[in-house]
Amino acid sequence: AQSVTQPDIHITVSEGASLELRCNYSYGATPYLFWYVQSPGQGLQLLLKYFSGDTLVQGIKGFEAEFKRSQSSFNLRKPSVHWSDAAEYFCAVGAGPGGGNKLTFGTGTQLKVEL
Amino acid sequence: DAGVIQSPRHEVTEMGQEVTLRCKPISGHDYLFWYRQTMMRGLELLIYFNNNVPIDDSGMPEDRFSAKMPNASFSTLKIQPSEPRDSAVYFCASSSSQGLVEKLFFGSGTQLSVL
Repeated sequence: AQSVTQPDIHITVSEGASLELRCNYSYGATPYLFWYVQSPGQGLQLLLKYFSGDTLVQGIKGFEAEFKRSQSSFNLRKPSVHWSDAAEYFCAVGAGPGGGNKLTFGTGTQLKVEL
Repeated sequence: DAGVIQSPRHEVTEMGQEVTLRCKPISGHDYLFWYRQTMMRGLELLIYFNNNVPIDDSGMPEDRFSAKMPNASFSTLKIQPSEPRDSAVYFCASSSSQGLVEKLFFGSGTQLSVL
C-alpha cells in the first residue's frame, strides 16, 4: 500500500529565508507525487506535481520540488519565503492512470513565517 | 467554472442526529472523492466514485457512514447516527480522467461538529 511521511509537523522560518519541507513516500511502482497547500478555512490547492521526466519540478508561487528515487523523497523548496506562504502543506502520492486518481496524503506540515 | 461546491460550510449537530453533507463537482469531471481531515489522522480518503459508481469505500469508517452519487453533478455523504468522534472537516474533491493523472480540485470543506 502506498504511504506518505512528512516528518516535520511544524516549521518556523523567517521571511526571506529559504525553506525545505520534507516528504518521504512508499510505493511499489513509479509514483505520481504532489504537493498541496491549504490556507486556513480553505480547501487544498495544488502547488506542483511529478509524473516523469525531469526530477526537478517547478510549481506555482515560486515553489519547486525534487524527486529522488534513491531516497524515496520528494522535498518541497522555496529560496525565499514570503509571509503569505504561512499555511499547511501536504505531500501526496497517487497510483497514476488506472489508479483512479486516488491520492494518499501525508499528515501535513504547518509552516509559520516570522516577520 | 465555480469549482467544487460543498454545503453546508459549517454544521453543528447533536449526537445521534443524522447529518448530510453535499457536494457538487466540477462539470465534466468523472471522479469524485470524499476526504475527512482531523488533527490526529490528517486527510483520509473515505470513498471515491467514477462515473457515479462507488469504486472504493474501504475508507468509510463504519456502517453509520454512507455516500451516494445519484448523478454526475451531485453527491452526498450521510452519517446516521452521528457521534462526537465524527467531528472533522469533510472535503469533497473532483478530477477528470482525461489525459494523465490530473490534479484534484477541492471544495472548501464542511466543518462538522457533533456535540
